[in-house]
Amino acid sequence: AQKVTQAQTEISVVEKEDVTLDCVYETRDTTYYLFWYKQPPSGELVFLIRRNSFDEQNEISGRYSWNFQKSTSSFNFTITASQVVDSAVYFCARAKNAGNNRKLIWGLGTSLAVNP
Amino acid sequence: ETGVTQTPRHLVMGMTNKKSLKCEQHLGHNAMYWYKQSAKKPLELMFVYNFKEQTENNSVPSRFSPECPNSSHLFLHLHTLQPEDSALYLCASSQDGSLAQYFGPGTRLTVL
Repeated sequence: AQKVTQAQTEISVVEKEDVTLDCVYETRDTTYYLFWYKQPPSGELVFLIRRNSFDEQNEISGRYSWNFQKSTSSFNFTITASQVVDSAVYFCARAKNAGNNRKLIWGLGTSLAVNP
Repeated sequence: ETGVTQTPRHLVMGMTNKKSLKCEQHLGHNAMYWYKQSAKKPLELMFVYNFKEQTENNSVPSRFSPECPNSSHLFLHLHTLQPEDSALYLCASSQDGSLAQYFGPGTRLTVL
């Protein structure tokens, strides 16, 4: 199966530390989309980013940054100067093919605890 | 209301009960989804509706019955559920094409 692997089940850091969440995916598709979602304790999955497989440029949004390495099939997510509000479960996902965003393949998630 | 809303947020039901989950999206999207989220498992896609038509049914047992009367509303009718059906049920919507899915807060379902 073409799965998405988030090897880190749980991570615990102290506030202001930088933390990187790993995501490795398998695919036979030449074009695809990758996503990161955040699920805080309230339960709602919050969309963070969508990345097209054609675009390997890294992206930064405030304290969040994403490192897409097509050669290693990885799409890692870094939070700089973490805050308590960053505590959540983070999911990486891949669209099954570029033209059909309705089917996402999800990782199991990484639970991040940011302690004061 | 904005985004995607779901009611109820919590539901406890017996195995012989019939209940319905409701989802409403205020984003003008045309696709809606039901997901099941259980501990230690990847998010499971259950149903997909596009322009009110069901386009995906991932081998979901018939005790789960979806209904999509229009592009803004989605229901999940539940009857004779099993305890293993206890989970967080998430609704999502998206605009057709390669855009992200936006999720509601979920309904935490417990089947006794």
